Amino acid sequence: AQSVSQHNHHVILSEAASLELGCNYSYGGTVNLFWYVQYPGQHLQLLLKYFSGDPLVKGIKGFEAEFIKSKFSFNLRKPSVQWSDTAEYFCAVNAGPMDTGRRALTFGSGTRLQVQP
Amino acid sequence: DSGVTQTPKHLITATGQRVTLRCSPRSGDLSVYWYQQSLDQGLQFLIQYYNGEERAKGNILERFSAQQFPDLHSELNLSSLELGDSALYFCASSVDFAGGYNEQFFGPGTRLTVL
Repeated sequence: AQSVSQHNHHVILSEAASLELGCNYSYGGTVNLFWYVQYPGQHLQLLLKYFSGDPLVKGIKGFEAEFIKSKFSFNLRKPSVQWSDTAEYFCAVNAGPMDTGRRALTFGSGTRLQVQP
Repeated sequence: DSGVTQTPKHLITATGQRVTLRCSPRSGDLSVYWYQQSLDQGLQFLIQYYNGEERAKGNILERFSAQQFPDLHSELNLSSLELGDSALYFCASSVDFAGGYNEQFFGPGTRLTVL
């Protein structure tokens, strides 16, 4: 079964600091990878996704992630965080044959990011 | 706004009771997924329906069941509720065509509190 690990549970940064959140997954085959963000009191929103092609993926709000297949990793980065980035960030993976129609996501435990002004 | 609606927003009930959570997917989306978010288990996939049929099951308890109706809205039924069932229940929808992957859009969730 696939699993996702997020190493940082709680990260506190000052505004303008750089961000990198780690995500590792366990699955040997083809994967689709995602980062979702959950702002306080809101629903999950997709930040970015990787299906295939260029392993450096750019998403919304200045976020990017790099897929490193050899390390089974999909780390999220942002060069300069803002107070409004305070939220919980979830890495997710969907793995397995695409023809089954089973597309459920397996989520990591989440990383709570707190950006101090 | 993702286009996915869930009702009710909050639900407070007692142990042993039964509740029904409702989800309306985005227009045109055929798949509905149910996820549970709790402090100890994190975000877990419960069950998927595609165009009225059950497609996949995750960590769903036998006390829980779901269905998807002809108009594609879905209901998650939770029965014999226990304190540990207190959680945020999300539904997500996706168009899910064969051979590819489509983004899942999440609803605002229903917060269930079992007292």
